[in-house]
Amino acid sequence: AQSVTQLGSHVSVSEGALVLLRCNYSSSVPPYLFWYVQYPNQGLQLLLKYTSAATLVKGINGFEAEFKKSETSFHLTKPSAHMSDAAEYFCAVSEGGFQKLVFGTGTRLLVSP
Amino acid sequence: NAGVTQTPKFRVLKTGQSMTLLCAQDMNHEYMYWYRQDPGMGLRLIHYSVGEGTTAKGEVPDGYNVSRLKKQNFLLGLESAAPSQTSVYFCASSIRQDYGYTFGSGTRLTVV
Repeated sequence: AQSVTQLGSHVSVSEGALVLLRCNYSSSVPPYLFWYVQYPNQGLQLLLKYTSAATLVKGINGFEAEFKKSETSFHLTKPSAHMSDAAEYFCAVSEGGFQKLVFGTGTRLLVSP
Repeated sequence: NAGVTQTPKFRVLKTGQSMTLLCAQDMNHEYMYWYRQDPGMGLRLIHYSVGEGTTAKGEVPDGYNVSRLKKQNFLLGLESAAPSQTSVYFCASSIRQDYGYTFGSGTRLTVV
């Protein structure tokens, strides 16, 4: 079964600093990978996805992620954090058929002025 | 442009009571899912459906039942609620593997 590891349950950055949220997956076959964002008391919104095209994927709100097969990683980055980026971020990997996604435990991003 | 709608948004149940959570999508998606979200545990799949009239168990199905009588609706039932089922429940739908999910806004359930 697939699994997803998100290092760091909380990440704190200052406004304007680089954001780096880590995600590693377990798979010998290149999967489909996703990052979702959850703002307080809301559902999850798709940030970006890797579907075996370009390894560097650009998403909404200035986020991007790079698929590295050799490292089985799909880390999320943003060059300059905004206060509005404060939220919880989930990495997910597709598992087998039926479009099932396996989610990581999430990383809460805190942005300070 | 409703997407995925979940009702109710909040509910408090007493131990042993039953209830049904409703998920409705208007995007003609074949695949629908129920997840629960608990602090520090991410989202865990309860049940899913690959089409009208079909359902299957996910990672944590015990204590829950589901039905998909119509393509646009996916119901999650709790027959005898337990405090361990206190959680936030999310419904999602999808059209294909590389599409990802569209999520509802969630149902916060407390069992006392």
